[in-house]
Amino acid sequence: GENVEQHPSTLSVQEGDSAVIKCTYSDSASNYFPWYKQELGKGPQLIIDIRSNVGEKKDQRIAVTLNKTAKHFSLHITETQPEDSAVYFCAARDRFSGNTPLVFGKGTRLSVIA
Amino acid sequence: GAVVSQHPSRVICKSGTSVKIECRSLDFQATTMFWYRQFPKQSLMLMATSNEGSKATYEQGVEKDKFLINHASLTLSTLTVTSAHPEDSSFYICSARGQGRGTDTQYFGPGTRLTVL
Repeated sequence: GENVEQHPSTLSVQEGDSAVIKCTYSDSASNYFPWYKQELGKGPQLIIDIRSNVGEKKDQRIAVTLNKTAKHFSLHITETQPEDSAVYFCAARDRFSGNTPLVFGKGTRLSVIA
Repeated sequence: GAVVSQHPSRVICKSGTSVKIECRSLDFQATTMFWYRQFPKQSLMLMATSNEGSKATYEQGVEKDKFLINHASLTLSTLTVTSAHPEDSSFYICSARGQGRGTDTQYFGPGTRLTVL
């Protein structure tokens, strides 16, 4: 089955700097890669996702890149702000495989220092 | 994004009692719902997957008689923790995927904090 590795587990950046979180996956059939942000005591919120027919997607300060050959994808947050502090999870699945659930990485705790 | 609600947000109960958690998709029809459990500072642990009108599929190690899941409609799934014990204390989160919002996308509820005394 799919296995998703996420690095780093913790990340501290100065406000205004960029943050990069990287994930690798094992199943070459995976073709859908979402990223979730989870604040303390809340459920995860989808912030961006990418499908395997594109290599990069951007939404304001957030971007995701995908390298299918190397089986890795990354989240990039530019101009970080204190409110970006949260735990971020990457995930992967084969979206043509029926009801298979997302497989999550272990999460990255991002701290943005003002 | 789509809205998934959970009720209650927080529950404290005595050991041996049963607790029901409701998960609703408010603006789309959820053909598939997922229940997760999360311990502090850990990732999401999938407990079970349910399709509307069918029996849930439980992950290995999750007791189906202890964690009863019902997905009776396209907008409602319930998780009942039966005869709860302190080790069942955790953060339970539901997630929904379905028609009209892109079948790829999984939306999460806000979670339910269960504390068993």
